[in-house]
Amino acid sequence: AQTVTQSQPEMSVQEAETVTLSCTYDTSESNYYLFWYKQPPSRQMILVIRQEAYKQQNATENRFSVNFQKAAKSFSLKISDSQLGDTAMYFCAFNPRGNKLVFGAGTILRVKS
Amino acid sequence: NAGVTQTPKFQVLKTGQSMTLQCAQDMNHEYMSWYRQDPGMGLRLIHYSVGAGITDQGEVPNGYNVSRSTTEDFPLRLLSAAPSQTSVYFCASRTRWGELFFGEGSRLTVL
Repeated sequence: AQTVTQSQPEMSVQEAETVTLSCTYDTSESNYYLFWYKQPPSRQMILVIRQEAYKQQNATENRFSVNFQKAAKSFSLKISDSQLGDTAMYFCAFNPRGNKLVFGAGTILRVKS
Repeated sequence: NAGVTQTPKFQVLKTGQSMTLQCAQDMNHEYMSWYRQDPGMGLRLIHYSVGAGITDQGEVPNGYNVSRSTTEDFPLRLLSAAPSQTSVYFCASRTRWGELFFGEGSRLTVL
C-alpha cells in the first residue's frame, strides 16, 4: 500500500528561526510527484512546494525548501526565518501513479513570537 | 479567476437526510476529486473522476455518490447521512502532474 507518514503531530518554533518537518513515504514506483500543502486556520489548502522524483535537485520556494532523499523515501520541509503567518497544519502528499494523491496525517506548526 | 468553487460552506443535517455538495472548476481540469478531512487522519479520498462520464471510488466511498456530466461540475451526494459522515469535505481539481487545487471546504455536521 502507498502510505505517507508524518511522525511529528505538533511542532513549535520561535519567530525568525528555522524548523524542519519530516515526511516519509512508501512506494514501489520510480516516478512520482511530492508535495507539501499548508492549511492555515482559514481551512484553505495551499500548495507550498512541489518536487519531481526524477529530479535530484531539491526544490526551493523562497523561505521553503525540501530535502528529498529518494533512496530513503524521505521528503522533509525546511522553513527558514519562520513567520507568524506560517502557523498552520502542513500536509505531505505524493501521487505514486495514476490519479490518487496520498496524504499524510499532518503536522501542526505553531510559530511563537 | 474563481478556481474551484464549493458550496455550501457549512451544513447541518439530521441522520437519514440526503444532501448534495456542489463543486465547480473553471480551469478545464479533467481530474476532479472529493476528500474528507478528519482529525489525525489527513485527507482521505472519497471519489474521483478523470473526465466527464468517468468516476471511480477512492479510499472511503461508502455512503457517497458522485456523477460527472460536465468537465466543470462534480457534485457529491450523501444518500442517507450518518453521524460518521460529520467531517470537512474538500473538492479538488488536478493538473496533469498531480498538483491539486482545492475548494474552500464544506463543514458538515450530522446530528
